[in-house]
Amino acid sequence: SAVISQKPSRDICQRGTSLTIQCQVDSQVTMMFWYRQQPGQSLTLIATANQGSEATYESGFVIDKFPISRPNLTFSTLTVSNMSPEDSSIYLCSVEASGDEQFFGPGTRLTVL
Amino acid sequence: GENVEQHPSTLSVQEGDSAVIKCTYSDSASNYFPWYKQELGKRPQLIIDIRSNVGEKKDQRIAVTLNKTAKHFSLHITETQPEDSAVYFCAASTSNTGKLIFGQGTTLQVKP
Repeated sequence: SAVISQKPSRDICQRGTSLTIQCQVDSQVTMMFWYRQQPGQSLTLIATANQGSEATYESGFVIDKFPISRPNLTFSTLTVSNMSPEDSSIYLCSVEASGDEQFFGPGTRLTVL
Repeated sequence: GENVEQHPSTLSVQEGDSAVIKCTYSDSASNYFPWYKQELGKRPQLIIDIRSNVGEKKDQRIAVTLNKTAKHFSLHITETQPEDSAVYFCAASTSNTGKLIFGQGTTLQVKP
């Protein structure tokens, strides 16, 4: 399976600021996704990161709040903008490997004070 | 859109017993059903999956069954061990989107 890394692994931020999370894969992949996992909860899809075009957002998530970049087939970023304590979560990127199998990065644990 | 319901939310078994976790989905177009295991502080790990053209799949102590008509699928773990203790998530997706919709999760505790 693909080796996926995320940076930073964790961060503590002040409300009103923004944080950009990076996701790097060791091989080219077509499909990359961003998920949010709130404390003690399941995973919720934020958006599909499309290479060369705008991301496709799920209901409840908007580009102004979660801008996403996908400059190539191995890299993507998710920005959490104008943060509030409700944004405290684990943010995970995932990639679709062969077939439909999807693998997750190690996650970024974000705490907003 | 797709909705996935997962039961039970917690499950406690004795070591050596079997554990069964059940999920139902709403979108008949869903055709891929993975199961993930998440240990505390770790990323979700894919442990087994099943596609809609198959009714059952086994991998050592774990198996998954799918009933397309009833739109439900289940994870079966036999001869449970303490290291099986974790949160398990089911998910559903359609191949053309790849978007995974997750169930709420089941916390499995295996008592030695």
